[in-house]
Amino acid sequence: AQKVTQAQTEISVVEKEDVTLDCVYETRDTTYYLFWYKQPPSGELVFLIRRNSFDEQNEISGRYSWNFQKSTSSFNFTITASQVVDSAVYFCALSVANTGNQFYFGTGTSLTVIP
Amino acid sequence: DAMVIQNPRYQVTQFGKPVTLSCSQTLNHNVMYWYQQKSSQAPKLLFHYYDKDFNNEADTPDNFQSRRPNTSFCFLDIRSPGLGDAAMYLCATSPRNPGNQPQHFGDGTRLSIL
Repeated sequence: AQKVTQAQTEISVVEKEDVTLDCVYETRDTTYYLFWYKQPPSGELVFLIRRNSFDEQNEISGRYSWNFQKSTSSFNFTITASQVVDSAVYFCALSVANTGNQFYFGTGTSLTVIP
Repeated sequence: DAMVIQNPRYQVTQFGKPVTLSCSQTLNHNVMYWYQQKSSQAPKLLFHYYDKDFNNEADTPDNFQSRRPNTSFCFLDIRSPGLGDAAMYLCATSPRNPGNQPQHFGDGTRLSIL
């Protein structure tokens, strides 16, 4: 069975602080894909990143960075120098090759950046 | 510029009165999904179409139906909405090989039940 755990329900930081959002996943499949989405108050889910199970390289995109570690089944997301516009709910998701279309979402982490 | 378009953004209906939510896409993706998202919860997949093939999740209530008349459009019909059906409904699309592709979401329709 597949499962995604985001243990942090809510996080508050002061603007310009760094913040890390945790994501732990479970799967027995060797081929799988991990995603992060941002959901601002307006409601739409915005795709941030995809990582496949064969690529453990960390990735940086501007103030965003992702740390994928298969040894701990984690795919953590760090925002450096946080800004008020980063306030949103962030979802980590997992899909596996042999379940076709199914996305397994975590329960989300609500991030509030205080000016 | 919008690629997955949901109408309306807000929908209010009465208890038991049928309601239809619509979704259209300009991405020409083969797969379209409907999710239900309640407050402070993760999106929950209701069903999806792979081309014309309909795939219902096992725990999706019979009250929820869907239609996909063509590649671009997909509808969610709620036959007799109950108070528990008040939620955000999200439409998403993905290409033919969806497992490794991100899903592209619309802005959602927030449904209220009076």
